[in-house]
Amino acid sequence: QVQLVESGGTVVQPGGSLRLSCAASGFSFSSYGMHWVRQAPGKGLDWVAFIRSDGTIEFYAASVRGRFTVSRDNSKNILYLQMNSLRNEDTAVYYCAKDESDRNSGGWYLDSWGQGSLVTVSS
Amino acid sequence: EILMTQSPATLSVSPGERATLSCRASHIISMKLAWFQQKPGQAPKLLIYGASTRATGVPARFSGSGSGTEFTLTISSLQSEDFAVYYCQQYEEWPPWTFGQGTKVEIK
Repeated sequence: QVQLVESGGTVVQPGGSLRLSCAASGFSFSSYGMHWVRQAPGKGLDWVAFIRSDGTIEFYAASVRGRFTVSRDNSKNILYLQMNSLRNEDTAVYYCAKDESDRNSGGWYLDSWGQGSLVTVSS
Repeated sequence: EILMTQSPATLSVSPGERATLSCRASHIISMKLAWFQQKPGQAPKLLIYGASTRATGVPARFSGSGSGTEFTLTISSLQSEDFAVYYCQQYEEWPPWTFGQGTKVEIK
């Protein structure tokens, strides 16, 4: 079955950098787009970034564009999120999620999610 | 950007009763809508995609309906394990993929 395991979350100072990883197994990783979604403490879900299956296309939320970079290593089945110039408001649990095709409607939705990795930005 | 609005923010329901959750999109999204369930300390879990198709393993008491801009998630007879926060999310127009703010279903 699909398994996504995030790692790398920790406490970091404002202005600092951090890289999250998401190890994927149980599916053909190189065939699927992948997302990062975050959730601030006590808040709702907030989409962060997307990368196409082959890594050639990336999209970002306006709040992180220019500071965060999503990448993937299809030979190792790992998704990454490089986070630079971190701010207090980036404090959240970060989830990776797999894209899936809705064959009826023609769209792509998020189906499987990892358990999340907590990033705390604080001095 | 498509704004997703859920109502109510909190729904108090007794076990065995029916729960009806609403989600409205600011633009037409056809049927490109998903519902997720999230329990405390856990990751979101996909319940419904395509507005009405249950994901694998989701009990039949969960049903989704709607199209265009108005959508509903119905839980026909609430079980103890169903008390959670529910989010809707559109995938018609992206980026960004956008979520509603969530509806908390609590025990009455």
